[in-house]
Amino acid sequence: KTQVEQSPQSLVVRQGENCVLQCNYSVTPDNHLRWFKQDTGKGLVSLTVLVDQKDKTSNGRYSATLDKDAKHSTLHITATLLDDTATYICVVGDRGSALGRLHFGAGTQLIVIP
Amino acid sequence: EAAVTQSPRNKVTVTGGNVTLSCRQTNSHNYMYWYRQDTGHGLRLIHYSYGAGNLQIGDVPDGYKATRTTQEDFFLLLELASPSQTSLYFCASSPGNSDYTFGSGTRLLVI
Repeated sequence: KTQVEQSPQSLVVRQGENCVLQCNYSVTPDNHLRWFKQDTGKGLVSLTVLVDQKDKTSNGRYSATLDKDAKHSTLHITATLLDDTATYICVVGDRGSALGRLHFGAGTQLIVIP
Repeated sequence: EAAVTQSPRNKVTVTGGNVTLSCRQTNSHNYMYWYRQDTGHGLRLIHYSYGAGNLQIGDVPDGYKATRTTQEDFFLLLELASPSQTSLYFCASSPGNSDYTFGSGTRLLVI
């Protein structure tokens, strides 16, 4: 059973537009949530990690929120660039140590067009 | 700079073939992991290790063996490759907290 659901599956935006990616999960416990960017054929690069019950983070044009009560997270990308074209993956960790498990979403494929 | 290096980047083998995927980390991390990524699925854990000589079974271990020869090196072995093992394989390392460093992946095609 999929414990991390991401939406939309894919998204096309024009360069300069903003977009929002969603992540809903049922993982328990939910120690932390991390967003990764995966360029085609490349590894996963961490964008941000959220830890608190209601958390917000900001990393340049990327900002994210987490609501553990709702088991929901969003990733906002502001003023998209062509280089933002990638798959964005939501990952929930059930512990704060490597003894825990990571639960991966299938990703949202973002395509930024000129 | 801390890094996880996987080799080969791409591999093609025939059904029943023998394949070894290599992973080396220079992070001095104790924990190393092998995942597979398939379309429509999140990454799934195959095997992992707490240190040299240690091996733990992940969530999708069938058809795979692994060996951690040193702190730096973690190998994934497919002794009788099947088409269902066609996938993108990722190695990762962790110091033992919630931080993970991923390699760039090995794309395996079993024909």
